[in-house]
Amino acid sequence: NAGVTQTPKFRVLKTGQSMTLLCAQDMNHEYMYWYRQDPGMGLRLIHYSVGEGTTAKGEVPDGYNVSRLKKQNFLLGLESAAPSQTSVYFCASSYNRRYTEAFFGQGTRLTVV
Amino acid sequence: AQKITQTQPGMFVQEKEAVTLDCTYDTSDPSYGLFWYKQPSSGEMIFLIYQGSYDQQNATEGRYSLNFQKARKSANLVISASQLGDSAMYFCAMRVPSGGGADGLTFGKGTHLIIQP
Repeated sequence: NAGVTQTPKFRVLKTGQSMTLLCAQDMNHEYMYWYRQDPGMGLRLIHYSVGEGTTAKGEVPDGYNVSRLKKQNFLLGLESAAPSQTSVYFCASSYNRRYTEAFFGQGTRLTVV
Repeated sequence: AQKITQTQPGMFVQEKEAVTLDCTYDTSDPSYGLFWYKQPSSGEMIFLIYQGSYDQQNATEGRYSLNFQKARKSANLVISASQLGDSAMYFCAMRVPSGGGADGLTFGKGTHLIIQP
């Protein structure tokens, strides 16, 4: 069972470069999320999607864009990377029932130099 | 806005002892869910236990139990008979039905638990 798969697992970017993080889930979940984790900050919600073709802003959306063209995929884009975006990024998914747990991917460690 | 507070940045516990990790939450919504996740040094997020705001009994999952005190707005995680493999970061999180705010889990800053032999 693959669950939630994130690609890539590690990446180093130069300031100003762009990149896309891919999240894929095989559980037929409606909801998908992107979080970032910084030391001492817990996880903070960047963007989320409640279904194919829909996206919405979370707590820290600035500098990121997302797309959900297919139900199983949720893409996170950085158009012009900044050192402040150095972080560990987690994708998660859940059923549309509000009180079920979210399943997380393995994380992507991104360093912007 | 929802908020989760974990006041213990780090804890050292002897193996086989019981552990209580503190979590307090703040929301004005009467309907919410509370979650605990474990993050070992390998980095993955592992779901441990869930408690709904209307659940009458405290949740239990194996060695994990959630001490839910609604009036105090606390949802402490209790680990019985701790093991070396319990050493990890532990996050408390809350989900509230979207009432104009973002859907998704709100996390605390975590507690780093170290089990000593």
